Amino acid sequence: GAVVSQHPSRVICKSGTSVKIECRSLDFQATTMFWYRQFPKKSLMLMATSNEGSKATYEQGVEKDKFLINHASLTLSTLTVTSAHPEDSSFYICSARATGIDNQPQHFGDGTRLSIL
Amino acid sequence: AQSVTQLGSHVSVSEGALVLLRCNYSSSVPPYLFWYVQYPNQGLQLLLKYTTGATLVKGINGFEAEFKKSETSFHLTKPSAHMSDAAEYFCAVSVINTGNQFYFGTGTSLTVIP
Repeated sequence: GAVVSQHPSRVICKSGTSVKIECRSLDFQATTMFWYRQFPKKSLMLMATSNEGSKATYEQGVEKDKFLINHASLTLSTLTVTSAHPEDSSFYICSARATGIDNQPQHFGDGTRLSIL
Repeated sequence: AQSVTQLGSHVSVSEGALVLLRCNYSSSVPPYLFWYVQYPNQGLQLLLKYTTGATLVKGINGFEAEFKKSETSFHLTKPSAHMSDAAEYFCAVSVINTGNQFYFGTGTSLTVIP
């Protein structure tokens, strides 16, 4: 089946550090990828939609200068949390959907646990 | 606009008992419906999906769900719960021409009692 690889799985770093998370679709091309944030015992909150070759679309309330998204190829999107602070600590999950097929599911990465000290 | 409601944020069943997780959706056009499972500190794994055709869909791990248009429901069931089924379950809806966006329910945490 379709596989999405997310790296790293866990990051622990000091406040003020910038952290990059990668999301790769391993066996399909994805024009669109999605970045979610999940708080403990909560549902997924869509942060932004990453579009290959163009700017990401951010959801209301998500700071685009804080959460930089780059989707440089059909198989890779990156999320960079800039100058991270403790309140940015969370579980971040990416997903991807095969290009041009409306009824296909999103395939999820295994998530990145970000802990800011 | 699309939305998903999962009734019951926590469900407990005994091992071997029927599992029923409820999902109702709101959509002005025919939806695509999905169930995902999430184990602790992991991403979401697709259990099953409904797009078109047969309204009763079977997924992995013995789960199945039935699309009922008249009730706008897509409830998830499994005849006999296993301990390994304990996890968080999310229902999601997607609609054509909405930019591929999924709308997730708030999730149901399933506990299986030995």
